[in-house]
Amino acid sequence: EPEVTQTPSHQVTQMGQEVILRCVPISNHLYFYWYRQILGQKVEFLVSFYNNEISEKSEIFDDQFSVERPDGSNFTLKIRSTKLEDSAMYFCASSVIHNEKLFFGSGTQLSVL
Amino acid sequence: EDKVVQSPLSLVVHEGDTVTLNCSYEVTNFRSLLWYKQEKKAPTFLFMLTSSGIEKKSGRLSSILDKKELFSILNITATQTGDSAIYLCAREGGGADGLTFGKGTHLIIQP
Repeated sequence: EPEVTQTPSHQVTQMGQEVILRCVPISNHLYFYWYRQILGQKVEFLVSFYNNEISEKSEIFDDQFSVERPDGSNFTLKIRSTKLEDSAMYFCASSVIHNEKLFFGSGTQLSVL
Repeated sequence: EDKVVQSPLSLVVHEGDTVTLNCSYEVTNFRSLLWYKQEKKAPTFLFMLTSSGIEKKSGRLSSILDKKELFSILNITATQTGDSAIYLCAREGGGADGLTFGKGTHLIIQP
């Protein structure tokens, strides 16, 4: 079965550093998403992306965050200047139809020290 | 205020038991309700419900939506240890907030 792949699985960074989280969505999917889950808390929506632009974003997705589809297969989340509170599991997801049957990747555990 | 509330938050049963997991949601801009199973990391899709009273079924799992009372249930019959996971309920509201997830029900199946 096709799957969403994310790299790296773990990322440790110093506060203030930039990080880029990478995802390869399922190839025939059109909608891409980033969600995050702080330890012990709910899965939270960050952003959705369609046709090479952001279609929705939450209040969490402020100016320090950006997304990009640099080529035909990768989808990235950049956090410009990481804060301690950015420590979380970041999930990439993709779907054929908007917000229907999302396939999630295994996540990148980001630890900001 | 939570838009999606799941209960119980945790549940421990024995193999072979039947369990019912609950999810209530806020009605604002409701479009669909989804169930996911989260084992180690990635949530995996189980069901999407849009219409009231129509049961969706997959093997030992089934789910139904009540749009009048604003809740959904997920049933698992003849539970197995492999059913141990966190079960997430999510509401799709059509607004700029993607899927809104509940806190999940942590289900543990004891042999």
